[in-house]
Amino acid sequence: GAVVSQHPSRVICKSGTSVKIECRSLDFQATTMFWYRQFPKQSLMLMATSNEGSKATYEQGVEKDKFLINHASLTLSTLTVTSAHPEDSSFYICSAGDSSFYSNQPQHFGDGTRLSIL
Amino acid sequence: GDSVTQMEGPVTLSEEAFLTINCTYTATGYPSLFWYVQYPGEGLQLLLKATKADDKGSNKGFEATYRKETTSFHLEKGSVQVSDSAVYFCALSDLDTGRRALTFGSGTRLQVQP
Repeated sequence: GAVVSQHPSRVICKSGTSVKIECRSLDFQATTMFWYRQFPKQSLMLMATSNEGSKATYEQGVEKDKFLINHASLTLSTLTVTSAHPEDSSFYICSAGDSSFYSNQPQHFGDGTRLSIL
Repeated sequence: GDSVTQMEGPVTLSEEAFLTINCTYTATGYPSLFWYVQYPGEGLQLLLKATKADDKGSNKGFEATYRKETTSFHLEKGSVQVSDSAVYFCALSDLDTGRRALTFGSGTRLQVQP
């Protein structure tokens, strides 16, 4: 079946560092990818919608300059947390829609990246 | 806007007990409904789905029926196992609103004791 690969699975770094997270669709073309953030014991909150070849659409309250999204190809979207601070520590999860997405087929999720800023 | 409401957890059951996790939704259009499961430290896995009224999604002994009249999609399993311990998320997608991302419920943690 369709698989989404997310890398790295865990990052621990110092405050002020920029961190890049990759989300790849392995066996399908993902015109749309989504980035979610999950705080401990809470639900997933959509951060932004990443569209191949165009600018990402950010949810209200999400800083565009803080969370840079690039979707340069049909199989790769990246989320860069710039100048990360402890409050950015969280679990970040990406998901991707395949060509049947518009028929309401489910999204495929990556395994998530646990980001810890010291 | 669209929303999903789940029963609060944690839900603690003994092995082989019957499970129900309630989920209700509000949506502008005619949504598709999903249950996802998250094991500790992992991402989300699709458990089951239903795309129209009266559809029943089923997988691994879990079932949920799309009830349009009650706007519900309750998750059930007849006999839970310790390996079912995880967090369960109810979610919807509503293309009619032009919003393609999933809207999630708050999640319900299930703990199954031997």
